[in-house]
Amino acid sequence: EVQLLESGGGLIQPGGSLRLSCATSGFTFTSYAMGWVRQAPGKGLEWVSSINDIGVSTYYADSVKGRFTIFKDNSKNTLFLQLNSLRAEDTALYYCVKYSAAWYNEAWGQGTLVSVSS
Amino acid sequence: EIVLTQSPATLSLSPGERATLSCRASQSVSSYLAWYQQKPGQAPRLLISDASGRATGVPARFSGGGSGTDFTLTISSLEPEDFAVYYCHQRRSWPRTFGQGTKVEIK
Repeated sequence: EVQLLESGGGLIQPGGSLRLSCATSGFTFTSYAMGWVRQAPGKGLEWVSSINDIGVSTYYADSVKGRFTIFKDNSKNTLFLQLNSLRAEDTALYYCVKYSAAWYNEAWGQGTLVSVSS
Repeated sequence: EIVLTQSPATLSLSPGERATLSCRASQSVSSYLAWYQQKPGQAPRLLISDASGRATGVPARFSGGGSGTDFTLTISSLEPEDFAVYYCHQRRSWPRTFGQGTKVEIK
């Protein structure tokens, strides 16, 4: 069974940094692309970032480009999202997603909440 | 950026009724479209990929159709557990985008 467990969220001041982690199990981590999708309170889904299976190709939403970095540690089967220069509008529940071979969001974690406020 | 517009925003129906949800893309996404279901307090769940392919474990009452710019998700006969928010999503190009969602509520 595929399991995705996010951690690292919390309350942070504007301009601060956080690192989100997504520990995975139940599949061959090095064979699948992964990503992050966020959902602001009471709002819809917003794609944030994606990384290919071997971790060399990365993609970002314009709203986070230059501030967020996605990377994989294949030795630990863990996906990360480094969040820098955080803004109030980054406040959201951040979901880790595993892609299918066709790059659809096949499996989702339960999310980790990031709150940016002074 | 491909904009996905879902309609209606809210659909009020009774159990047993048929639900038809629409997703329109601002430019062609071919068949690279998915549908997700999200219940309150839960993560989204993949229902349909490549416009019409049901994901593993998804009941047959869910069906997807369309190509290019116009897509539909149909629930043939609503069960109590189907009342939720539904999102469409395209993987045709970067950035990936989602529709704003359609809430299916009990009438």
